[in-house]
Amino acid sequence: TQLLEQSPQFLSIQEGENLTVYCNSSSVFSSLQWYRQEPGEGPVLLVTVVTGGEVKKLKRLTFQFGDARKDSSLHITAAQPGDTGLYLCAGASGETSGSRLTFGEGTQLTVNP
Amino acid sequence: EPEVTQTPSHQVTQMGQEVILRCVPISNHLYFYWYRQILGQKVEFLVSFYNNEISEKSEIFDDQFSVERPDGSNFTLKIRSTKLEDSAMYFCASSDAPEVGYGYTFGSGTRLTVV
Repeated sequence: TQLLEQSPQFLSIQEGENLTVYCNSSSVFSSLQWYRQEPGEGPVLLVTVVTGGEVKKLKRLTFQFGDARKDSSLHITAAQPGDTGLYLCAGASGETSGSRLTFGEGTQLTVNP
Repeated sequence: EPEVTQTPSHQVTQMGQEVILRCVPISNHLYFYWYRQILGQKVEFLVSFYNNEISEKSEIFDDQFSVERPDGSNFTLKIRSTKLEDSAMYFCASSDAPEVGYGYTFGSGTRLTVV
């Protein structure tokens, strides 16, 4: 059974601070996806990283896939209250997009004004 | 932007009853999925569907569950005899071509409550 451990589980910071969320596993994933989920809604895809060592930027969000494709991180620069939400990492186990996603527990981020 | 549509948004059913959860995936997507999320727990994979057949299923997806694509647009999840522990948010998702790197589009979910 593949597991993804996310840390921290909860994070409360002030507007303007930087933060990093980590996603770790002992398993290798073919790709790693990051989602954001609002209460009562489905996860919304932020980014997919595929290649070991890959770095992707989405405005103030920087995503990194570990060289061994077992871990990933999400770094937010100058956090804003609008960044508040549940951030999920999910690993794809197969070589096609038809494979299952294994989700982490999520990181609940609160950015205080 | 294309969406995955799920109906109903909420369903309350009595234990032992059959329920059908409905989904309309994005029209040009080829892979379809059901996931569930029990309150306070992580999102769990149930089943994936491609080319009119199940491509992978989890240990959760036992004989009480079935999926169907009855026409060119709908994708359904049936739970034959619901149990209290089936209460959860059920998410349908779809994805594009088989190359690695395509993310999934999730619907807003159906909240199933078994009483």
